[in-house]
Amino acid sequence: AQTVTQSQPEMSVQEAETVTLSCTYDTSESDYYLFWYKQPPSRQMILVIRQEAYKQQNATENRFSVNFQKAAKSFSLKISDSQLGDAAMYFCAYRSAMNYGGATNKLIFGTGTLLAVQP
Amino acid sequence: DTEVTQTPKHLVMGMTNKKSLKCEQHMGHRAMYWYKQKAKKPPELMFVYSYEKLSINESVPSRFSPECPNSSLLNLHLHALQPEDSALYLCASSQDLRNEQFFGPGTRLTVL
Repeated sequence: AQTVTQSQPEMSVQEAETVTLSCTYDTSESDYYLFWYKQPPSRQMILVIRQEAYKQQNATENRFSVNFQKAAKSFSLKISDSQLGDAAMYFCAYRSAMNYGGATNKLIFGTGTLLAVQP
Repeated sequence: DTEVTQTPKHLVMGMTNKKSLKCEQHMGHRAMYWYKQKAKKPPELMFVYSYEKLSINESVPSRFSPECPNSSLLNLHLHALQPEDSALYLCASSQDLRNEQFFGPGTRLTVL
């Protein structure tokens, strides 16, 4: 079974600084997707960034980028120029890309990292 | 329209009440999901609908009853809940079972 581990329950960053959130996963599959979701106090889960395992290039979305190390099974999120609005719980998630005969490929979440942004 | 909406935002109910949560999307997505989330924990999958048919039930107690009347609407009927069922209930949708999920803002449920 696949697992996702986020070893940093809480982190803090100064506004305008850069912070990196860690995520490791365990799988025997070769084809899968990795995601970072953000959940601010408003509660809505927002997709921040997505990475396909077959792509060597690290995904980037504006101030958010990932460092995807497939061999090491590591998928960290870097937030540059941190803003107060980045304060949230961040969940790393894994989803298989294998076709299981129509059954959903479930999202497997890590336990989350609570990010505080200091003004 | 690129969002998933959920009503109500908050719900307080007694253990003998019957209530329903509603989720709606107009993105043409054919898969819809219910999750339960406790404070500071990741979401836990409850049910998955694909093309209006129940695809997955994650061994959820029968006091939770999902319904998908059409491709845009997903309901969760609640009956005889327990205080431990108090949580944030999130709905999500995706184009199909193989695409990324988009979440609604959730319903905060309190069972007294």
